[in-house]
Amino acid sequence: GEEVAQTPKHLVRGEGQKAKLYCAPIKGHSYVFWYQQVLKNEFKFLISFQNENVFDETGMPKERFSAKCLPNSPCSLEIQATKLEDSAVYFCASSQLDTENTEAFFGQGTRLTVV
Amino acid sequence: GEDVEQSLFLSVREGDSSVINCTYTDSSSTYLYWYKQEPGAGLQLLTYIFSNMDMKQDQRLTVLLNKKDKHLSLRIADTQTGDSAIYFCAGVRGSYIPTFGRGTSLIVHP
Repeated sequence: GEEVAQTPKHLVRGEGQKAKLYCAPIKGHSYVFWYQQVLKNEFKFLISFQNENVFDETGMPKERFSAKCLPNSPCSLEIQATKLEDSAVYFCASSQLDTENTEAFFGQGTRLTVV
Repeated sequence: GEDVEQSLFLSVREGDSSVINCTYTDSSSTYLYWYKQEPGAGLQLLTYIFSNMDMKQDQRLTVLLNKKDKHLSLRIADTQTGDSAIYFCAGVRGSYIPTFGRGTSLIVHP
């Protein structure tokens, strides 16, 4: 597609439940990034993929967070046993990242509320 | 890694120019970007500048880059109420990861 599509737009989970977020990158973009925006500002980098391979996961909490980008499927970010502090807007971005195109295009985000 | 600093708020009168400033630590970013986030929305790329340029103009937007001081600014001419948003400066660190400042909330009042 021509835009990064994130689903769902809103997700409410009880504390301890699992949350799964999806991201379809722009067609032809081989890099995908996930960010967490807890307050209005500050984008915290979580993980990036080059195609289906993890490219950088230095921001990823080790214990409850996992992510995948499988061929012919939307990318996903999964949070096991959600906690109140996981409430945030999660943004996905994709990028072509060749010598002429380095900008990242963002989806509209998924607002996760843990109650 | 890249650290990007921005002031948190800027208030201007409609019709005036706005200047949003940003400082960064990692000089290896090939490109530096300005993104805009409107309430409840994702990030929209406004403009970018290649690191070997000093200035880039795009309609009402002017980006100035001072590589020596690692300072980037975004000037919006004739600021309108529709320009009210949060503006993020971003570099690209190491493994091509866009790294953002905390954003500057621009408030435009009549």
